[in-house]
Amino acid sequence: SQQGEEDPQALSIQEGENATMNCSYKTSINNLQWYRQNSGRGLVHLILIRSNEREKHSGRLRVTLDTSKKSSSLLITASRAADTASYFCAYSGAGSYQLTFGKGTKLSVIP
Amino acid sequence: GAVVSQHPSRVICKSGTSVKIECRSLDFQATTMFWYRQFPKQSLMLMATSNEGSKATYEQGVEKDKFLINHASLTLSTLTVTSAHPEDSSFYICSAEGQGAGPGSGQPQHFGDGTRLSIL
Repeated sequence: SQQGEEDPQALSIQEGENATMNCSYKTSINNLQWYRQNSGRGLVHLILIRSNEREKHSGRLRVTLDTSKKSSSLLITASRAADTASYFCAYSGAGSYQLTFGKGTKLSVIP
Repeated sequence: GAVVSQHPSRVICKSGTSVKIECRSLDFQATTMFWYRQFPKQSLMLMATSNEGSKATYEQGVEKDKFLINHASLTLSTLTVTSAHPEDSSFYICSAEGQGAGPGSGQPQHFGDGTRLSIL
């Protein structure tokens, strides 16, 4: 499977600022998910957006999906130091339950 | 809910040793479990898909005789790295999908905390 691309690879912001991460993919998808990984730990599911949805919110998270451009973005508003982690997009293709992960964005939020 | 427990969290052993990693779904039955490998500062790469009661499906380039997967029950899958060598050192992560999930179901995978394997 072809790995998705994410940008930026690394992002450093001040606490309170917003963080935006982007993900691009190459296939048709069922849905796209965003996960968070703290250093040396497993992944925590953040939010899932279906292929027929354009925007979704969950607390301080906002996800958009543009299937025409095969891209998604994750916005974290009013960032906190505890948001420091790596963030991965992951998607499953039509008819498949296997996830393909993007390369990830390492977010550092400076107190 | 939807907790996946992975054990051990860290293993350090000598070259040639076989290492078994367990992945358990604690509060749900997992029809399908996935095993991933993650190199430092890189993303997750799917190694194999494990279905309860049947043989695992391995991704291209993954040696099935090297990485033995057993999914004997709806709550347990194991990955055994046989005759491990330093190049097998990595972070291995499992995930599980509950019954009723499947293509287009919109249900997320639930991940274990990973196992850091270091082969000396």
